[in-house]
Amino acid sequence: GENVEQHPSTLSVQEGDSAVIKCTYSDSASNYFPWYKQELGKRPQLIIDIRSNVGEKKDQRIAVTLNKTAKHFSLHITETQPEDSAVYFCAARTSGYSTLTFGKGTMLLVSP
Amino acid sequence: EAQVTQNPRYLITVTGKKLTVTCSQNMNHEYMSWYRQDPGLGLRQIYYSMNVEVTDKGDVPEGYKVSRKEKRNFPLILESPSPNQTSLYFCASREGTGKDYGYTFGSGTRLTVV
Repeated sequence: GENVEQHPSTLSVQEGDSAVIKCTYSDSASNYFPWYKQELGKRPQLIIDIRSNVGEKKDQRIAVTLNKTAKHFSLHITETQPEDSAVYFCAARTSGYSTLTFGKGTMLLVSP
Repeated sequence: EAQVTQNPRYLITVTGKKLTVTCSQNMNHEYMSWYRQDPGLGLRQIYYSMNVEVTDKGDVPEGYKVSRKEKRNFPLILESPSPNQTSLYFCASREGTGKDYGYTFGSGTRLTVV
């Protein structure tokens, strides 16, 4: 089955800096890559997703890039703010299957 | 309001005492799934269901059962809970089985088995 690796496990940045979280996947048939944000004590919530026919997608301060050849995708957060502090999960779904496989998560800490 | 509702939010139980965690969605979603979240291990899928009466094992199904008798409900059953099932559980749903839509998660159930 699919295997998703996520790095780093913890990331500390100063407010205003950029943050990058990287994920790799194993199944070249995967074609859908969402990112979830989980604030402390809350449920994971979808923040952005990308499909395999697109190389990059942006939504205000967040962007996701996908490199199908290398089988990796990344989340970029610019001008970080303290409210960006949370655990971020990447995930991948393989074409023809319904299940999402998640990475182990990255705890992002944004210091004022 | 479109949502996935899990109950209870918190549960402390003793080893071997059967329990059920309920999950209900009001979005007419075909696909529902259960995950457990443990520190350092992320979200791991327990079971999923692609439609009524269609269920399948995820990555960590041992010790769990599910049923999908109606589209909106997908309960998680622990017949004989053990301490290693102490975890945070999330139910999730999404539209369709072949479509690329993100999950909507429930609020979570924190289970402690002593």
